[in-house]
Amino acid sequence: DVKVTQSSRYLVKRTGEKVFLECVQDMDHENMFWYRQDPGLGLRLIYFSYDVKMKEKGDIPEGYSVSREKKERFSLILESASTNQTSMYLCASPPSVGSGPNEQFFGPGTRLTVL
Amino acid sequence: GENVEQHPSTLSVQEGDSAVIKCTYSDSASNYFPWYKQELGKRPQLIIDIRSNVGEKKDQRIAVTLNKTAKHFSLHITETQPEDSAVYFCAAVVSYGQNFVFGPGTRLSVLP
Repeated sequence: DVKVTQSSRYLVKRTGEKVFLECVQDMDHENMFWYRQDPGLGLRLIYFSYDVKMKEKGDIPEGYSVSREKKERFSLILESASTNQTSMYLCASPPSVGSGPNEQFFGPGTRLTVL
Repeated sequence: GENVEQHPSTLSVQEGDSAVIKCTYSDSASNYFPWYKQELGKRPQLIIDIRSNVGEKKDQRIAVTLNKTAKHFSLHITETQPEDSAVYFCAAVVSYGQNFVFGPGTRLSVLP
């Protein structure tokens, strides 16, 4: 069973702080994704990665960066947290592309509040 | 890029009735259409998916239909039960990119 874990379920930070959200998957997947989830907006893609040290911007990358130093770990970084980054953050990882796209396995989510 | 719309945003049905949620997409290259269910406080989980070479797929009380010409696909839940209450998300995926574009979600409430 694929397991995607995130470092924190709840996080409270102050405006201007640097924030690290970590995601780990244990199935040797190449692909990893970071989404944010907001009411009425669904899941929006922030960044994704197809391989170690490889990253691509999603739909809303502004204010975020990512790091993928190891295959199993994908970190989302808020360089200087702002109140509009208060949200639920979900990490996801599908199996490697073979015959086509596959199910996204989601982590439990991190609810970040920026004061 | 791909854009996915989803309707309705909220849906209330009586237990035992059917529920239908509709999604439209814009990119004709999309060829994978999953549906996720997210219960309160939990992660989204795949409930059914369909690929573009299939028009309909059924799994017990849940079915998905796809109309590639019209670029829309729908989730059908029959004989709804209180445990079906959740937020449902559709998504469209272009295979070469594996970029999931999600709809905004539908909050389904099944009333006893």
